[in-house]
Amino acid sequence: SQTIHQWPATLVQPVGSPLSLECTVEGTSNPNLYWYRQAAGRGLQLLFYSVGIGQISSEVPQNLSASRPQDRQFILSSKKLLLSDSGFYLCAWSEGRKLFFGSGTQLSVL
Amino acid sequence: LAKTTQPISMDSYEGQEVNITCSHNNIATNDYITWYQQFPSQGPRFIIQGYKTKVTNEVASLFIPADRKSSTLSLPRVSLSDTAVYYCLVGDREGYSTLTFGKGTMLLVSP
Repeated sequence: SQTIHQWPATLVQPVGSPLSLECTVEGTSNPNLYWYRQAAGRGLQLLFYSVGIGQISSEVPQNLSASRPQDRQFILSSKKLLLSDSGFYLCAWSEGRKLFFGSGTQLSVL
Repeated sequence: LAKTTQPISMDSYEGQEVNITCSHNNIATNDYITWYQQFPSQGPRFIIQGYKTKVTNEVASLFIPADRKSSTLSLPRVSLSDTAVYYCLVGDREGYSTLTFGKGTMLLVSP
């Protein structure tokens, strides 16, 4: 069966520091991959999606970037974090019209 | 991408049936309707998906009228553990490559 791993679970970073969140999917090949962010009390916002290695589409202009170096690996990065980057970050993959989410990373930028 | 409208919150008691309605007036012919459940500090979990009429699985039912401009998620005999946020999504592309969740409906189940 397919599983999705996302780490770390929580992260506290100072403003201006870099960020790297990693997500890997097992049990499937060439999945569509997604990064979402959920700010406190708000819905999930799609940040990036990828349909294949090296193929990244950005939904929202921001301080973040994404990369897909391998088929089942999706990385969310930032060179310099802002306070507004705080939130709950979720990686997901899709099969058909269904999304399957990881356990998320709670990022606090102080 | 069809926009959806849901109630911000709903209250219920254990053992009751809960119906959460989602409006999607500009749904397209190829759009499917999908519902997700999210607990605090967790990722959303797929509940049910449908295109028209009625779909039922082991946890919920989804009712879609003929005009498909709305849909209703029905949770039979809710328990305290059903307290969560429920999201309605409408989309047509496989993988929902441009999907954005709304704020969802916060369901609070009390004893």
